[in-house]
Amino acid sequence: SQQGEEDPQALSIQEGENATMNCSYKTSINNLQWYRQNSGRGLVHLILIRSNEREKHSGRLRVTLDTSKKSSSLLITASRAADTASYFCATDAVQGAQKLVFGQGTRLTINP
Amino acid sequence: EAGVAQSPRYKIIEKRQSVAFWCNPISGHATLYWYQQILGQGPKLLIQFQNNGVVDDSQLPKDRFSAERLKGVDSTLKIQPAKLEDSAVYLCASSDSGGGEETQYFGPGTRLLVL
Repeated sequence: SQQGEEDPQALSIQEGENATMNCSYKTSINNLQWYRQNSGRGLVHLILIRSNEREKHSGRLRVTLDTSKKSSSLLITASRAADTASYFCATDAVQGAQKLVFGQGTRLTINP
Repeated sequence: EAGVAQSPRYKIIEKRQSVAFWCNPISGHATLYWYQQILGQGPKLLIQFQNNGVVDDSQLPKDRFSAERLKGVDSTLKIQPAKLEDSAVYLCASSDSGGGEETQYFGPGTRLLVL
């Protein structure tokens, strides 16, 4: 079963705008990761945020984590055409085997 | 460094046939994962190896799927016999030692179509 659920399922914005994607999960986690998947290719790790962290930045990416609401958001600022991809959150649950459980993903399209 | 290699990239078979996928992880990575990604969904872990031992295969349909990682390096995933619902992308990933905080490095995947 999939732990994370991304919202929205699809997002289309103009180049230069900011894109925000949300992820909700069900059980307590050790950490949450975001991955990007370009069409027809494998996934690429973007950023990891631990359960005791509330916000993290990496370049144009900003991730927040609210463990009380069991949710995370990924913000991409000043979007570019190359950001067009699917974005997945993946959680490492506290209980159970150490493995990542991926959400359904958000399909992001950046229009030039 | 070289990434995770997978072959073939595409495969079309008829139902009830068998198929095998191959993965070569990043050199030195102890942990290897096989995921199934159905169109429109996120990847689902099928099996996780630590060196040549199985850590987690709880979501592997063992009546038709099998995987091995001989010598703790390359791995093969086999489906026999294939069903229509096995149509998906099969992703291989590797990580250094398999901890929950580790980055997983993914290969390009094998796209399987079962007719």
